[in-house]
Amino acid sequence: QSALTQPASVSGSPGQSITISCTGTSNDIGGHNYVSWYQQHPGKAPKLIIFEVTNRPSGVSSRFSGSKSANTASLTISGLQAEDEADYYCCSYRSDNSPCAFGGGTKLTVL
Amino acid sequence: QAQLVESGGGLVKPGGSLRLSCAASGFIFSDYYMTWIRQAPGKGLEWLSYISGSGRIIYYTDSIKGRFTISRDNAKNSLYLQINSLRAEDTAVYYCARDSGSGSFRFDYWGQGTLVTVSS
Repeated sequence: QSALTQPASVSGSPGQSITISCTGTSNDIGGHNYVSWYQQHPGKAPKLIIFEVTNRPSGVSSRFSGSKSANTASLTISGLQAEDEADYYCCSYRSDNSPCAFGGGTKLTVL
Repeated sequence: QAQLVESGGGLVKPGGSLRLSCAASGFIFSDYYMTWIRQAPGKGLEWLSYISGSGRIIYYTDSIKGRFTISRDNAKNSLYLQINSLRAEDTAVYYCARDSGSGSFRFDYWGQGTLVTVSS
């Protein structure tokens, strides 16, 4: 069982916006701003799309945005495109003996 | 452009050992924390361990403590993961990744992964 909870799947039509949640505790998401998000296409390595809650690496589309409220972080993808269909994982620093936790992953289907 | 290339995976019998390697290029290797992450077939990502640029700071996830050892050789621009007493549940693709946030878990470059299969 993952330390961070994500919905198993979300879906949306091209052009729409979707939001993926990532829920933790005050020991991880709620206590720090070291939350990152990764996109993974089948058979490929993950790709960093958001770091430190809201920041996008150079080259990542502005359609991807991140936010946080209390113990829940969120990834929003606006203007959905077919190539956004992938698995998405959140990751957070944890203030305990295992300092990094991933969420269980969310499969995004573009209808 | 940074590049990471893992090697050393393969088919191993339960109880066996493996040493995974990750060759880095395109950046000053010693300036960065490095991490190992694995993904079992059809499952999610699992963070395993990280090591600071100097090698002096090391952390492991609880489930692997005592069996896995992370190390690095900055002269060879290489990261390693020694895995002992392999179990079926260690079957996974193992990725190395660069942490550009110095331990803040900003994994900006990943290798292509190396598959470890534990089976008799």
